[in-house]
Amino acid sequence: DAKTTQPPSMDCAEGRAANLPCNHSTISGNEYVYWYRQIHSQGPQYIIHGLKNNETNEMASLIITEDRKSSTLILPHATLRDTAVYYCIVRVEDAGNMLTFGGGTRLMVKP
Amino acid sequence: DVKVTQSSRYLVKRTGEKVFLECVQDMDHENMFWYRQDPGLGLRLIYFSYDVKMKEKGDIPEGYSVSREKKERFSLILESASTNQTSMYLCASTLGSYSYEQYFGPGTRLTVT
Repeated sequence: DAKTTQPPSMDCAEGRAANLPCNHSTISGNEYVYWYRQIHSQGPQYIIHGLKNNETNEMASLIITEDRKSSTLILPHATLRDTAVYYCIVRVEDAGNMLTFGGGTRLMVKP
Repeated sequence: DVKVTQSSRYLVKRTGEKVFLECVQDMDHENMFWYRQDPGLGLRLIYFSYDVKMKEKGDIPEGYSVSREKKERFSLILESASTNQTSMYLCASTLGSYSYEQYFGPGTRLTVT
């Protein structure tokens, strides 16, 4: 799986959009970009994934650059409950479902 | 909603003890996983299972074994606990090999003294 680089921490004001960047410059053509988050004292939670098109679901939007070397997870209206560590992962779709998390970004949503 | 439950949230054991961590999922998922999570090391796969009585080693299987006698239950066994096995243990499941979403349990924080 390709390696990802994320900022270690970010702050966001409650109600504002949180934009979490991820660099994955060595991504290969069959690798997807996945985002998970982990709220303190809980197991990780799937958020969204995509290959090359932008994706949106009820939790977030995923914007992938045209060259696929980076992406941004957008939480459109962050709440205090979105405070968590966010992990960006790139992997092939059928990689035995195994996940490998790096350091992630610790997002702090402040009132 | 899919629910993955783990037998304990917190566990304290002594060095040399045999430790059982239980995981149960209620959505008839094929694949189940055991990870450990440590600060600075991220999430590491210990073992996984894609069917009853089937198991595969992950990245760090040494010192661990697993058991999957029923589809919904996946057990992690520490035959002789050591202090370097103090960690957060996470169980997860997915419907099948092409499922993109892993469902995680709440985790068991194990301390070995």
